[in-house]
Amino acid sequence: GQNIDQPTEMTATEGAIVQINCTYQTSGFNGLFWYQQHAGEAPTFLSYNVLDGLEEKGRFSSFLSRSKGYSYLLLKELQMKDSASYLCAAMDSNYQLIWGAGTKLIIKP
Amino acid sequence: GAVVSQHPSWVICKSGTSVKIECRSLDFQATTMFWYRQFPKQSLMLMATSNEGSKATYEQGVEKDKFLINHASLTLSTLTVTSAHPEDSSFYICSARGDREHEQYFGPGTRLTVT
Repeated sequence: GQNIDQPTEMTATEGAIVQINCTYQTSGFNGLFWYQQHAGEAPTFLSYNVLDGLEEKGRFSSFLSRSKGYSYLLLKELQMKDSASYLCAAMDSNYQLIWGAGTKLIIKP
Repeated sequence: GAVVSQHPSWVICKSGTSVKIECRSLDFQATTMFWYRQFPKQSLMLMATSNEGSKATYEQGVEKDKFLINHASLTLSTLTVTSAHPEDSSFYICSARGDREHEQYFGPGTRLTVT
């Protein structure tokens, strides 16, 4: 079956770095997505990886290893506004997104 | 980036009535639109996938006669919750895909409360 695993909740300190891991199993693979979702709002797109390696975009970076079925989202210089849920989603061979349950990130001062 | 709108952003209705939610792609043509439901503190649940001009494909466990989806044009899809009940209260989110398969843009969501 298809499955996405990511931690339920993580806590980090303002100004620090946090890494949110995601492992996936899908029927075929057409990329790995990370979305940010604040409470009561729709998800917003953060990153898309389809090739192995690290993609850096400002304070956020995303890594993919297709052979390991593994990705992580790295957030640097954490700010209080980064408190949100982070959703990992893998796109299968039918271009359908398979969603993880999300990781709630709590930032403490 | 591409913009997707939803209307209404929130709605309260009485049990037994029907509610229609609109999803529009404002600056691109969406060949495929997706409807999700999200309960508090849970992840997104895909309800159905709709392609312009054809019948929607519903996920297992989603009643197609209760959740009517119409994708009549390349910029508009509607979800109608028929005979709504309190357990249908949820956050409904649509997303739209353009020409590129990996690009999917989310609407702001519609919060439905059934009393």
